[in-house]
This record gives sequence, structure tokens and C-alpha cells, in this order.
Amino acid sequence: DIVMTQSPSSLAVSAGETVTINCKSSQSLLSSGNQKNYLAWYQQKPGQSPKLLIYLASTRESGVPDRFIGSGSGTDFTLTISSVQAEDLADYYCQQHYSYPRTFGGGTKLELK
Amino acid sequence: EVLLQQSGAELVRPGSSVKISCKASGYTFTDYYMHWVKQRPEQGLVWIGRINPANGNTVYAEKFKSKATLTADKSSNTAYMQLSSLTSEDTATYFCTRNFHYWGQGVMVTVSS
Repeated sequence: DIVMTQSPSSLAVSAGETVTINCKSSQSLLSSGNQKNYLAWYQQKPGQSPKLLIYLASTRESGVPDRFIGSGSGTDFTLTISSVQAEDLADYYCQQHYSYPRTFGGGTKLELK
Repeated sequence: EVLLQQSGAELVRPGSSVKISCKASGYTFTDYYMHWVKQRPEQGLVWIGRINPANGNTVYAEKFKSKATLTADKSSNTAYMQLSSLTSEDTATYFCTRNFHYWGQGVMVTVSS
């Protein structure tokens, strides 16, 4: 199984700051066939279902604000949230969709400073 | 509009089984895999498995192979997950998700005597 390691586990921020969440996979998520990285990012607010933000490492899901930026390749990935807003306070998860079983990172809790 | 409507919360006894449902609407049910995800209280996301509603083909995470059974009814556009031999470790919210782009609201299963 591919192990996904996220850091940090929690992050205290002020509105307007830029934050970075890291995700490392135990195996490369880069497909040699199409040169795409099979990594997704989700946001989950308390009491809600997860929401897909980013897939294929950097493709933003329809309707997701452009302050959410996914980057990285191979085994190292980053979710950057520019100018954090109060509505962005949530848990964030990375997930590999390269192979089965699909595996998630442990999550990052974004809190107000 | 794509909707995944899950069944209601369940309170079940240890050792028993429970079957939860996920009714899909707004798209062709057989065109997309349905995945299931577990989330224990205050914990992260864990992938259980997925079913291809077109032919019933399933893939499970190793730890759920004897715990979960995924089925799909094409006539009612409904996916099901049965959980057996329930213990307190199965107390969680269970989500269905259409290829992780669309999510059900989740079903809280509480295992208690």
C-alpha cells in the first residue's frame, strides 16, 4: 500500500496569510504513460462531507477558488492556500488515486491564530 | 444535479450486521464507480472499497475484506454496503462517493449494547 504522510498535523493562521500543507507519498504517483501525478486534495468542514479541491496534483475542481493551488510531482506535493479566509478553516487531506487501495494522508487541521 | 442520498443513522448491537444505502440521481448510475469511505469520530478518512455498478465488480482494502460487502442495484440506482460482526471499532460515519467528486452526506453507525 502507498503510505501518505501529511505535515503539519495542525496549523494556526491569521486571515490573509498564505499557508502551505505538505504531503509525501511512499511511492511515486507519477504515471509514466501520461506524465500525470495521481494526487488529490480534499477539504472537510465540521459535520460535512469531504469536498474535492484538487485532483491530478494541480487541477482545480470546478467552483474551487483560485486561491487553492496544488503543486508537486513524484512523491512530494503541496497545497497552498493564498490569503486564507475564515471560511477556509477546516481539515485538509491528501489522497493518492494512483493505485488501490486508495490511501489518505492523516489530515491537517487549519485553525485560527 | 448529481445527488447521493444516504440512509439514516443506525444504532446497532455488537456482533450484528447493518446495511446502509446510497441512492444516486442526476447521472447514469452505471457510468461511474462508487467508493465507500470510513471516518471514525475525530479521526481521518479511510478508504473501504469500490464497486462498479455496471457489472458488480468490487475492490476492497485488505482490512475490510471480511468486514464490508458492497453491492449495487441498477434498477433503483442504489449502492449498498453491509458491515458484519460489528464492534465498537466500527462506530463511524460512512460516506459513499462517486469517484470522489461527489459525496453523500454520510451515515453515522453507532455500535453499542
